[in-house]
Amino acid sequence: AQSVTQLDSQVPVFEEAPVELRCNYSSSVSVYLFWYVQYPNQGLQLLLKYLSGSTLVESINGFEAEFNKSQTSFHLRKPSVHISDTAEYFCAVSGRGQGAQKLVFGQGTRLTINP
Amino acid sequence: DAGITQSPRHKVTETGTPVTLRCHQTENHRYMYWYRQDPGHGLRLIHYSYGVKDTDKGEVSDGYSVSRSKTEDFLLTLESATSSQTSVYFCAISGTSQETQYFGPGTRLLVL
Repeated sequence: AQSVTQLDSQVPVFEEAPVELRCNYSSSVSVYLFWYVQYPNQGLQLLLKYLSGSTLVESINGFEAEFNKSQTSFHLRKPSVHISDTAEYFCAVSGRGQGAQKLVFGQGTRLTINP
Repeated sequence: DAGITQSPRHKVTETGTPVTLRCHQTENHRYMYWYRQDPGHGLRLIHYSYGVKDTDKGEVSDGYSVSRSKTEDFLLTLESATSSQTSVYFCAISGTSQETQYFGPGTRLLVL
């Protein structure tokens, strides 16, 4: 079984400042890792994912996350945030080779960008 | 956007009544999932399907049943709704076990 802990429920930052949203996971098997974003009153959209290969993965809108196996972490970072990044962010994990991709989500981190 | 619709989008019902939520996809994807979203819990998997008539339980399946009689439709039924089932329900689809899950717009259910 897997579990995910997002260490911050809310993160307020100023526009153009850097941000890091923290995610730690536990699992008895190898994992796939994901970050999803949810804008107000919408469904979830995939931001980025780690399946294999390079441990640093990037999204098209400037976010990146690094898979750290020894620390069981998958923190999300952006060097300079915009007002449009205001949303809730969810880290998720699924076990490899388990057939269906049964995602286990963290509690979510609400990112608020102040002008 | 992946072709996923959910119906109804909003529903208010009373305790003890049956409720069925529908997820419809036009992508011909093999896997379909039902999640519920509650504050402080993120999303939790209720049931999933890996093919027509092939379903299995997720993390929070008690009080819910599902059916998938054709590829494009995945139904979630609350046999006797309770107030603890007030939530936002999301359907998701994926083509393979490694592919991205695409989420529907959600159904907001209030059980009085």
